[in-house]
Amino acid sequence: AQRVTQPEKLLSVFKGAPVELKCNYSYSGSPELFWYVQYSRQRLQLLLRHISRESIKGFTADLNKGETSFHLKKPFAQEEDSAMYYCALTEGGKLIFGQGTELSVKP
Amino acid sequence: DTGVSQDPRHKITKRGQNVTFRCDPISEHNRLYWYRQTLGQGPEFLTYFQNEAQLEKSRLLSDRFSAERPKGSFSTLEIQRTEQGDSAMYLCASSLVGRGPSVGREKLFFGSGTQLSVL
Repeated sequence: AQRVTQPEKLLSVFKGAPVELKCNYSYSGSPELFWYVQYSRQRLQLLLRHISRESIKGFTADLNKGETSFHLKKPFAQEEDSAMYYCALTEGGKLIFGQGTELSVKP
Repeated sequence: DTGVSQDPRHKITKRGQNVTFRCDPISEHNRLYWYRQTLGQGPEFLTYFQNEAQLEKSRLLSDRFSAERPKGSFSTLEIQRTEQGDSAMYLCASSLVGRGPSVGREKLFFGSGTQLSVL
């Protein structure tokens, strides 16, 4: 079975510091990977997907097939980035989610 | 609000009772998903539909769980003979899936969820 691992339950940084949320996956083919985010009192929503090679709210994520990783990065964290972040991959027609990492950005 | 709608927002029930949740997806979306989320965990896949067809159901899902999407629009998730372990947030999501290489890359839109507490 495919699997997504987010090793950190909580990541706490100060405003302006760089952020890296780790995601490792196991997949037998060519994975489609995503990052979803849930801000306080809001719905789970898509942040970015690797196929789009996009930068959203200053976040980027690079798929590293050799290391089977899809880490989420931002060079300068903002307080409004505080949220739960979930890495996910597509298996068949559905998404498989990791356990999530809570990002806390302190002033 | 034209997003995914779930009803009720909260449900408290006694062990052994049956409960039913409803999800109204975004109107033109052909795929509908049900997930379950417990504290400290990511969403866990339960089942999904393409139009009215149920395409996959998690092997972890007990026979007490059943879902329908009779007209390819709204969906219901029923849990029979609830147990305390069923307490969780039940999330619904929908997406618009085309054909060809874009399948599997679509964006899921989530509802606010139904929080179930089984006493």
